[in-house]
Amino acid sequence: KNEVEQSPQNLTAQEGEFITINCSYSVGISALHWLQQHPGGGIVSLFMLSSGKKKHGRLIATINIQEKHSSLHITASHPRDSAVYICAVRVGNEKLTFGTGTRLTIIP
Amino acid sequence: KAGVTQTPRYLIKTRGQQVTLSCSPISGHRSVSWYQQTPGQGLQFLFEYFSETQRNKGNFPGRFSGRQFSNSRSEMNVSTLELGDSALYLCASSLADSRALHFGNGTRLTVT
Repeated sequence: KNEVEQSPQNLTAQEGEFITINCSYSVGISALHWLQQHPGGGIVSLFMLSSGKKKHGRLIATINIQEKHSSLHITASHPRDSAVYICAVRVGNEKLTFGTGTRLTIIP
Repeated sequence: KAGVTQTPRYLIKTRGQQVTLSCSPISGHRSVSWYQQTPGQGLQFLFEYFSETQRNKGNFPGRFSGRQFSNSRSEMNVSTLELGDSALYLCASSLADSRALHFGNGTRLTVT
């Protein structure tokens, strides 16, 4: 069983819609990363969180340490947001453990 | 500032051969980590180095090894290649293990 669970696995939405991707994990963590991977492979780190909320442009990431849950929100979604979004957690100084990813498709 | 550079971008090898992949981190970054990505297993952690010391190692066989040099550049080696080693190998660097990761574009290895 993966220690990091993401939902949904696939998400298709119309341009302009508000998007939410969820990540749940089973143990206490020191940090949680949200990553974006476009076709072709390149990965971009969107956020690193240990508590609270972070915002960058149209992207917002939140984390609830007590509930062991994080969400990534995209406001006013655009076709260029189409990508795979991956959640990863670090426990202490241990290795990163990855979720299986959420494939997001935004239709114009 | 130059990003994380991985070489080569593509590589085709045959079973039983060995391969060495290279990663040059962002200048000033002392932490380098390696990951394997396959369609079936997704992203999996391979190794993490900080100032030439291996900090963590993933659940991979001993055929997978790595090292980091004094200039923070890192290499990973896979010996006795198997078909299942075909994957995208990604390297990431950061200032420290508690900081944001910066990924390279990866090396796509095909084993035939």
